[in-house]
Amino acid sequence: DQQVKQNSPSLSVQEGRISILNCDYTNSMFDYFLWYKKYPAEGPTFLISISSIKDKNEDGRFTVFLNKSAKHLSLHIVPSQPGDSAVYFCAASGGGSQGNLIFGKGTKLSVKP
Amino acid sequence: DTGVSQDPRHKITKRGQNVTFRCDPISEHNRLYWYRQTLGQGPEFLTYFQNEAQLEKSRLLSDRFSAERPKGSFSTLEIQRTEQGDSAMYLCASGDRGEKLFFGSGTQLSVL
Repeated sequence: DQQVKQNSPSLSVQEGRISILNCDYTNSMFDYFLWYKKYPAEGPTFLISISSIKDKNEDGRFTVFLNKSAKHLSLHIVPSQPGDSAVYFCAASGGGSQGNLIFGKGTKLSVKP
Repeated sequence: DTGVSQDPRHKITKRGQNVTFRCDPISEHNRLYWYRQTLGQGPEFLTYFQNEAQLEKSRLLSDRFSAERPKGSFSTLEIQRTEQGDSAMYLCASGDRGEKLFFGSGTQLSVL
């Protein structure tokens, strides 16, 4: 049973617009959430994270929002750029997992010029 | 700045052969992880080392898989008697005190 779910396999947006990637989780013991970006034939690269004691974290064009009651988080990218085209993975840790990250299946973002 | 290094980048082998992958983590990181990723899936946890001690293994890690980190630095992942279902990208990651993990570029294994 998947503990971290990314229900949209793909997303296409126009350059300059906002990209919103969503992630849901089922384990209430998760206390830290991360977003990774992955290009083909490369390993995932850390993008941004959020602790469960916060509901928002911002880094430049990237903002992550956490809604604990809904067990939902989202990544906002604004403005989107063609170089943002990649697969984005949501990951969670906590509940004694010793740093082991549980990943979703990813969402492929395509930003069109 | 040296990130996580994995070798080889690609490996093609015949079913039944043994393969070994190497991972060199970021030097000051004491935690080291192996993950496996197949097409259309996110990375799946295989095993975890704190220094040289292997502290956790996933049930995905069958008896044909063995991982070592002999001196608490680099790690090796060996797959014996490879099967076609072992074809995947094998990712190594390292971390320090925080939750964030740094991943290598992975080893793409193809079992024919």
